Amino acid sequence: EAGVVQSPRYKIIEKKQPVAFWCNPISGHNTLYWYRQNLGQGPELLIRYENEEAVDDSQLPKDRFSAERLKGVDSTLKIQPAELGDSAVYLCASSLGGYGRLVEAFFGQGTRLTVV
Amino acid sequence: GENVEQHPSTLSVQEGDSAVIKCTYSDSASNYFPWYKQELGKRPQLIIDIRSNVGEKKDQRIAVTLNKTAKHFSLHITETQPEDSAVYFCAAGSSGAGSYQLTFGKGTKLSVIP
Repeated sequence: EAGVVQSPRYKIIEKKQPVAFWCNPISGHNTLYWYRQNLGQGPELLIRYENEEAVDDSQLPKDRFSAERLKGVDSTLKIQPAELGDSAVYLCASSLGGYGRLVEAFFGQGTRLTVV
Repeated sequence: GENVEQHPSTLSVQEGDSAVIKCTYSDSASNYFPWYKQELGKRPQLIIDIRSNVGEKKDQRIAVTLNKTAKHFSLHITETQPEDSAVYFCAAGSSGAGSYQLTFGKGTKLSVIP
C-alpha cells in the first residue's frame, strides 16, 4: 500500500512568488493534516481536514496561506506571496479518523521549501 | 490550546545504556499520546503510542509511561543501539470532530555512541 505522497520534494523560490504543495493521503483516510516543521523543531499544525471540511485552521496564516481538499481526497497548500520566513519543511499526514478508530497519523516525506 | 513541553532537547548515551525522554502537556482533555521517530531527512514515523486508559505500554526495547494526574508521559528506550540515533517527538492528542488534534513537542535529538 502506498503511503502519503507529497510533491514536490524540494522547492526553491524567490520571495513574493507563489508556491503550491500537493498531498495524496493514504486511500480511505478521512483526516488530513498539513504541518510546518522548522529546522530543529517539532511539526506545527497548519490545518486539519475531516473529509473536505477544514475543522481546524486556527494556526493557518490566512493572509498568505490557503488550502483546499476538494472531494475529500487530495489536498493542496498554497502560499502567496512567499516570505523568507516561510522556509521550512511542509509535512502532510493522514489518519483514518473517527471515534474509536485507529488514530495513527502517517506522514509524507514532506516538501522542503527554500525562499530566497 | 494544548501545550507540550519536551525534555531534554539533546541526549547522548553510550550504546547499551537506557535513554529517557520526558514530556508534559497542559490540556486535561488530551487522551492520546504518540511518540514519533524522525531520522535525518526522513518523515516522522510512529514508534509507540498510549491512550489515557492505561498507565504503561511496552514494545520490545521501547516503553511509554503516562501519569494523567501530573500530566506527563515518558519514553524509555533500553539497550540502546546506534540505529536508535534520531530525533524523537512526543505529541498529545484530543479527539474532536471525529479525529485527533495532535500537538507536538519540540523534539529530542538522541545520539547513541558506539
